[in-house]
Amino acid sequence: DGGITQSPKYLFRKEGQNVTLSCEQNLNHDAMYWYRQDPGQGLRLIYYSQIVNDFQKGDIAEGYSVSREKKESFPLTVTSAQKNPTAFYLCASSMLQGNSPLHFGNGTRLTVT
Amino acid sequence: KQEVTQIPAALSVPEGENLVLNCSFTDSAIYNLQWFRQDPGKGLTSLLLIQSSQREQTSGRLNASLDKSSGRSTLYIAASQPGDSATYLCAVPTSGGSYIPTFGRGTSLIVHP
Repeated sequence: DGGITQSPKYLFRKEGQNVTLSCEQNLNHDAMYWYRQDPGQGLRLIYYSQIVNDFQKGDIAEGYSVSREKKESFPLTVTSAQKNPTAFYLCASSMLQGNSPLHFGNGTRLTVT
Repeated sequence: KQEVTQIPAALSVPEGENLVLNCSFTDSAIYNLQWFRQDPGKGLTSLLLIQSSQREQTSGRLNASLDKSSGRSTLYIAASQPGDSATYLCAVPTSGGSYIPTFGRGTSLIVHP
């Protein structure tokens, strides 16, 4: 079955450590997105990529970095510069067409102590 | 910048009621509008996608309508069931003809037996 795989489901890190969240899709989608979800805040866009080797900052990119070396993969690194990294992180993908729905992975819950 | 508002923020109803969830957006130059369901601790599941040229879409007990000129969409849930309990989110592309989705904060629905 085609879909988006995020791993791990839960991640625990000490403050000051960088951590990388994995996102892989086998839907042959051009665009991939990373969102952060906090209670009561809705989804906020961190980074997005519409083509391999290119990506753009979203609304809350500070303290995060991404890469898009392959069409299928869009890993997110949460750096030590991110002031409040504990959150639920969601990866999504879509085709670059007006009638293309957005597909989501099951998310990674990151806890930093 | 596109802003998306969902009303009500929370809803608790007895089983069997027909429900209307509302989504409003500020920039009507959109390609589509998508409704999602999110269960606790999970990713988002696409329910319905309405193209900008369409007025409504139906899937089972769900019906979504779109009025671009007024910047509104409604999600109608017929004969609600306890299994419908979840958070419902709408998403529209950001301003300027972009494909980048912007989300509302969601409506948290509880259907009690």
